[in-house]
Amino acid sequence: QKEVEQNSGPLSVPEGAIASLNCTYSDRGSQSFFWYRQYSGKSPELIMFIYSNGDKEDGRFTAQLNKASQYVSLLIRDSQPSDSATYLCAVKGRTGGFKTIFGAGTRLFVKA
Amino acid sequence: DGGITQSPKYLFRKEGQNVTLSCEQNLNHDAMYWYRQDPGQGLRLIYYSQIVNDFQKGDIAEGYSVSREKKESFPLTVTSAQKNPTAFYLCASTPADSGGTDTQYFGPGTRLTVL
Repeated sequence: QKEVEQNSGPLSVPEGAIASLNCTYSDRGSQSFFWYRQYSGKSPELIMFIYSNGDKEDGRFTAQLNKASQYVSLLIRDSQPSDSATYLCAVKGRTGGFKTIFGAGTRLFVKA
Repeated sequence: DGGITQSPKYLFRKEGQNVTLSCEQNLNHDAMYWYRQDPGQGLRLIYYSQIVNDFQKGDIAEGYSVSREKKESFPLTVTSAQKNPTAFYLCASTPADSGGTDTQYFGPGTRLTVL
């Protein structure tokens, strides 16, 4: 089992719709959870982090964390073509000296 | 402007050759990291350093070496022992006190290709 799993996609949504990206992780001791956006050929940039159960909202983005289910998600409201990118889920866990483990990413396409 | 710089942007290596990738940051961050990204895969940790003159192996350190002589600099050498070095290499840094969140700030990356 991979430590951090994401559906590779591509996930395709129409402009203005809600895009829902999901991530599961294996280490129950994980403490911090991150969503990064990566455009093709570019480096990842942080969108949000969350470390408490529940929802955290920042503009059009909402991160949701459920530690009991070992599940974290990212919702993008009013999706725009500029949101088309790969979204990386990252988890700072207890194993390996608190390293950050990255998922392989989900490719999102927002159709105009 | 504060940030992380990596050079070169593109690098070509001949078989049997060692090459060094540069990473410099002026964010006054204590910890620095090197990751490798292959197509369709997540970032894999090569080496990391939490303080000057100290560094630890990550998950895929074989065939790589690093140094941390200055807080601002963390160069990565890809040696001839690394048999499949073609990848996108990312350098990152974090401040010592990030409120427990350990948010990583990434450089623009170096794309290494073996000829």
